[in-house]
Parts: sequence; structure tokens; C-alpha cells
Amino acid sequence: QQQVKQSPQSLIVQKGGISIINCAYENTAFDYFPWYQQFPGKGPALLIAIRPDVSEKKEGRFTISFNKSAKQFSLHIMDSQPGDSATYFCAASSEGGKLIFGQGTELSVKP
Amino acid sequence: DAGVTQSPTHLIKTRGQQVTLRCSPKSGHDTVSWYQQALGQGPQFIFQYYEEEERQRGNFPDRFSGHQFPNYSSELNVNALLLGDSALYLCASSPLGAKETQYFGPGTRLLVL
Repeated sequence: QQQVKQSPQSLIVQKGGISIINCAYENTAFDYFPWYQQFPGKGPALLIAIRPDVSEKKEGRFTISFNKSAKQFSLHIMDSQPGDSATYFCAASSEGGKLIFGQGTELSVKP
Repeated sequence: DAGVTQSPTHLIKTRGQQVTLRCSPKSGHDTVSWYQQALGQGPQFIFQYYEEEERQRGNFPDRFSGHQFPNYSSELNVNALLLGDSALYLCASSPLGAKETQYFGPGTRLLVL
């Protein structure tokens, strides 16, 4: 119940395309869903986050779509660029701030 | 405004030894969480400190312990190191009113031989 399942494990997208990464969860007590971007040898960087009272949140080229009834959420990266090539992690948290992370998606954007 | 800082950046130890990792939170943050990230995996929650006390703990043995100082900085101690403790250790800080909004440091890469 504490798991967050992320897919796909890896993703190759052409420059200018849309990258889509999906996550699913079981624990209905989760109330905060962030996405992190991690480059090799670096710590994860907070990209964007959403709470279950909204269905979509957009910040620049990054959009989170949230489906509470399906217990799923996804990250969309519009106009993907080679500089977006990194590993992306979804996460979920309930009261207290303990983050449960997905397994990660390695994104490669080809020029 | 400095972000989360961690020291050292890299560390090599042998089995059975003890290690101490250090973390300074972002300015204005008073909550520190520690995570272990094995190669190719997502970070795993170890524990969280605020008001100088451990508030939450993940599924890690007692060999993992921590401390938070009055200036909100924190230490992670691991005793009796095992080969499986080799990982990237990440510290994240957050404001007390938003403990889930966590900003990570660059991590300490620990190799146990």
C-alpha cells in the first residue's frame, strides 16, 4: 500500500516532442504528489507538485495531470529538449512529509 | 541563498566501520529528512528530524541513527557498515509548516569495501 509504481522505466523522445511519465498509487491517505528531476551525480531537484484537490497543474513546459478516482498521476513535458534528458521520479506523501518514491524513468531526448 | 549542503561528497569505508554524514538545510528550513538511494533506484526514506528529535523513521535498522543540532543542521551515523550500505545518501530540508515540500542536497556517495 505504500508503493508508488512508475512507468515506463525508460523513454526516448525526439526533440520537440511530448514526454509522458505515469505513476500509480494505492494509499488513499497520500495528499501530496511531487515530481523530481535528477541528473547523474546530483541530488533530485523538485520540478512541480500537486495536491488531490486539483486535476491539473502547469508550470512552464511541465504539467501534472491527476486522476484521483484512478489513483494515477502523470508528468507531461512539452517541447522536450536534449537538456531535459535525466531521470525523473514521482513521489507521494501523506501527513508527516515522508516521501515514497517511484522507481524512476530515464528520459533521453534525441536532437 | 545557499541551498542544502552535504559533506563529504564522497567517502570510502570498509565493512564494520562507522561513518558520519553531515547536512546543512536551506536558510529558513528547520526540518531535515535523510534518504538512501541505491544505484538505479528511487530514494528510500531513512528518518526525519525537527525540533532536534527524530519524528518519523523508515524501514532501516538501528545501525542508522541521526541527530539534529540547534542550528537545524543534521548528522546521519551508520555503524557496523555492510557492503549493502553503499549508496548515495541524500539530505532534504523543508520548512516546518510544509514538511512534504523537500529540497535535496547533492548527496554523499558512500562506498563500502
